[in-house]
Amino acid sequence: DVKVTQSSRYLVKRTGEKVFLECVQDMDHENMFWYRQDPGLGLRLIYFSYDVKMKEKGDIPEGYSVSREKKERFSLILESASTNQTSMYLCASSLMGGASTEAFFGQGTRLTVV
Amino acid sequence: LAKTTQPISMDSYEGQEVNITCSHNNIATNDYITWYQQFPSQGPRFIIQGYKTKVTNEVASLFIPADRKSSTLSLPRVSLSDTAVYYCLVGASGYSSASKIIFGSGTRLSIRP
Repeated sequence: DVKVTQSSRYLVKRTGEKVFLECVQDMDHENMFWYRQDPGLGLRLIYFSYDVKMKEKGDIPEGYSVSREKKERFSLILESASTNQTSMYLCASSLMGGASTEAFFGQGTRLTVV
Repeated sequence: LAKTTQPISMDSYEGQEVNITCSHNNIATNDYITWYQQFPSQGPRFIIQGYKTKVTNEVASLFIPADRKSSTLSLPRVSLSDTAVYYCLVGASGYSSASKIIFGSGTRLSIRP
């Protein structure tokens, strides 16, 4: 079974803090993704990576950065957390990329910025 | 990436068959149609994929007409546990910058007793 593990299920941070969300997958997948999900807005792609050290912006990259130093790990960084970044964050991985490939998701991190 | 349109929400009752239709008028020759299911407080999970005609697995069936401009996800005899958001995705395999996977807002399906 593919496993995508996110480091925290719930997180509370203060405005202005630098926040790291970690995601690890154990199936040697090439592609990894970070999404955020807010009520009524579906899943929105923040960043994705198709190879180690490679990253591409998604639809809403502002206020975020990412790091992929190893194939199995993809980190999402909130440089200076703000209250409008309170959300559910979901990490995913896939062997191949694109909408026709199966993506596997982690359990999500519910981040609250106060 | 082909744009998809699906209903925002649907309601049904236990034991009924539910059909969720997705429109994708600008689907390309290489594109597949993929559906995901998302339960509350969980990430989405892949449930079915097809290219043309009909695909069936233990969870659902997917009907795709000859022109492929729409598709219908069919859930037989739903139960309360089928209450979830269902996403329709249309696209092909991608590499490098084309490997992104975009989800829309999905269809929120509510099943009542």
